[in-house]
Amino acid sequence: GAGVSQSPRYKVTKRGQDVTLRCDPISSHATLYWYQQALGQGPEFLTYFNYEAQPDKSGLPSDRFSAERPEGSISTLTIQRTEQRDSAMYRCASSPRVGWETQYFGPGTRLLVL
Amino acid sequence: AQKVTQAQTEISVVEKEDVTLDCVYETRDTTYYLFWYKQPPSGELVFLIRRNSFDEQNEISGRYSWNFQKSTSSFNFTITASQVVDSAVYFCALSSALRDDKIIFGKGTRLHILP
Repeated sequence: GAGVSQSPRYKVTKRGQDVTLRCDPISSHATLYWYQQALGQGPEFLTYFNYEAQPDKSGLPSDRFSAERPEGSISTLTIQRTEQRDSAMYRCASSPRVGWETQYFGPGTRLLVL
Repeated sequence: AQKVTQAQTEISVVEKEDVTLDCVYETRDTTYYLFWYKQPPSGELVFLIRRNSFDEQNEISGRYSWNFQKSTSSFNFTITASQVVDSAVYFCALSSALRDDKIIFGKGTRLHILP
């Protein structure tokens, strides 16, 4: 696609529910990154993919968080048993390859856990 | 460890004044990249500039200018003749290919331009 897209743009859920967020990167971009941005803070790295491989998931805050990119294009971020502290903006970015220097960010998904 | 510090949490200036946003970074990598992003009230992240560690030339783009000084590990951003539309949160950030381009963001500076 022309840019990085994310869906849904807004998600309200109740504590304890599972949520899945989707990222559709720019076509042919090999690398895809997920960031979490809490209110009043800067984005923080969660995990990234190089094609379908996931070399680094060190930023995932707990085992309730998982991400997939099975075919090396679209990626999903799943949060199980959501908690109120998971409320944040979740941002996805892609780039042609590692070392490209610039990542292209999507519009983000704003998650609110009640 | 890599770190970006934006000491100014919030700044308010009157329209047409100049304003400088400070950014100090820490890294042990010799090759790295510095960024500034703008986050308007709508929430998206707007890329403003990328600078690599080997290029210390200052850059000017319209009313925006950036001052990169490796000696003080700073990458400051100046808006000249500010406008109300400049009101936003501004993030300074750092990345390195050695660390798979993971971007380390500062906490941001919220800029209010008062009419």
